[in-house]
Amino acid sequence: AAGVIQSPRHLIKEKRETATLKCYPIPRHDTVYWYQQGPGQDPQFLISFYEKMQSDKGSIPDRFSAQQFSDYHSELNMSSLELGDSALYFCASSPLGLDFIDTQYFGPGTRLTVL
Amino acid sequence: AQKVTQAQTEISVVEKEDVTLDCVYETRDTTYYLFWYKQPPSGELVFLIRRNSFDEQNEISGRYSWNFQKSTSSFNFTITASQVVDSAVYFCALSEGQAGTALIFGKGTTLSVSS
Repeated sequence: AAGVIQSPRHLIKEKRETATLKCYPIPRHDTVYWYQQGPGQDPQFLISFYEKMQSDKGSIPDRFSAQQFSDYHSELNMSSLELGDSALYFCASSPLGLDFIDTQYFGPGTRLTVL
Repeated sequence: AQKVTQAQTEISVVEKEDVTLDCVYETRDTTYYLFWYKQPPSGELVFLIRRNSFDEQNEISGRYSWNFQKSTSSFNFTITASQVVDSAVYFCALSEGQAGTALIFGKGTTLSVSS
């Protein structure tokens, strides 16, 4: 079965640079979520989109922005990168279920290292 | 406010032992969903189970079983006859309300199964 695709899988950037992470949801999934997982930490929710509109927002820094496109893929844009942004970034997708809460299926993650 | 507590940080067992991972949650909503995810050393987050607040039936899937008790706000996970491949970090998570809403994760329990 098709899974969530994230690219790139690994990314190395310098401080103050920008980065763009891409997420391609499972086919027919219309909701996309972004999470950040620091070393030894639990995943922290950043932001989600349903039908290209922001659905929920968590602790996403102002330096980060995200959007969902007409083909449902999503991009997370990160500017003025800091050392503390080094983490594993997960994208997840879910279908809109009849009971309105559906399982979030996670991609393999993008490991971002900021030097 | 919603919160998930996994009091066991690390558990070590020997193969074929049974092990239970505890999860206690807090929420003010009457409608909510509980999840378990597995994160093996390779890093991906693998969905294991979803439970809604109206369904307290326990569930068994092979060597895995889950015990949901609203009276104690607990959603515990038992692995029977553990195997080395079960070694991973296990996260319990909570979601309230609507599609597109964040998952709130516990801190995770690291399970190490030795042969």
